[in-house]
Amino acid sequence: TQLLEQSPQFLSIQEGENLTVYCNSSSVFSSLQWYRQEPGEGPVLLVTVVTGGEVKKLKRLTFQFGDARKDSSLHITAAQPGDTGLYLCADASNFGNEKLTFGTGTRLTIIP
Amino acid sequence: GAGVSQTPSNKVTEKGKYVELRCDPISGHTALYWYRQSLGQGPEFLIYFQGTGAADDSGLPNDRFFAVRPEGSVSTLKIQRTERGDSAVYLCASSPRGTGTQYFGPGTRLTVL
Repeated sequence: TQLLEQSPQFLSIQEGENLTVYCNSSSVFSSLQWYRQEPGEGPVLLVTVVTGGEVKKLKRLTFQFGDARKDSSLHITAAQPGDTGLYLCADASNFGNEKLTFGTGTRLTIIP
Repeated sequence: GAGVSQTPSNKVTEKGKYVELRCDPISGHTALYWYRQSLGQGPEFLIYFQGTGAADDSGLPNDRFFAVRPEGSVSTLKIQRTERGDSAVYLCASSPRGTGTQYFGPGTRLTVL
């Protein structure tokens, strides 16, 4: 089973600042997903990356997949209070069995 | 359209009791998953259904946990002889087959006293 480590575990920053959170694995991902989870809700899919070196943008969020497909980062520009939540990366590489293996998560708080 | 729904939203029970947690997936989704999320952790996979059959139950922690999906739609997660360590949020997700996208419900928060 792939072990996914996310860092930092907690992050609290002021509104308008930029931030980056990381997801690292001991093994190669075939497919990696990022989710955001708000209190009392289930995780919501933000993006799926499959190609080494791939960069995807979703408004102020930029997702990067490492060239070796063993790590990924999420960069948020000009953070807003609505970005507050638990950010989870997940290994979605189980072809034919689509169970997800989640990382430990980064709990992000944006202070107005 | 309606998303994945889970009932109850909260369940408090005593150690040793039996509980059932229900999941209503998005209509037409053939795949259904159960995950468990402990405080401060990411969700952990429990079981995966494709249609009516459990395609992968490797995440169930022991034989006190059992899940069914008799008609390929609604699923029930059953926990016998609950223990305090079973306290967690139990998440259900559904997916159209082959898309790689799972849609999660809000979860059931189980507290075992």
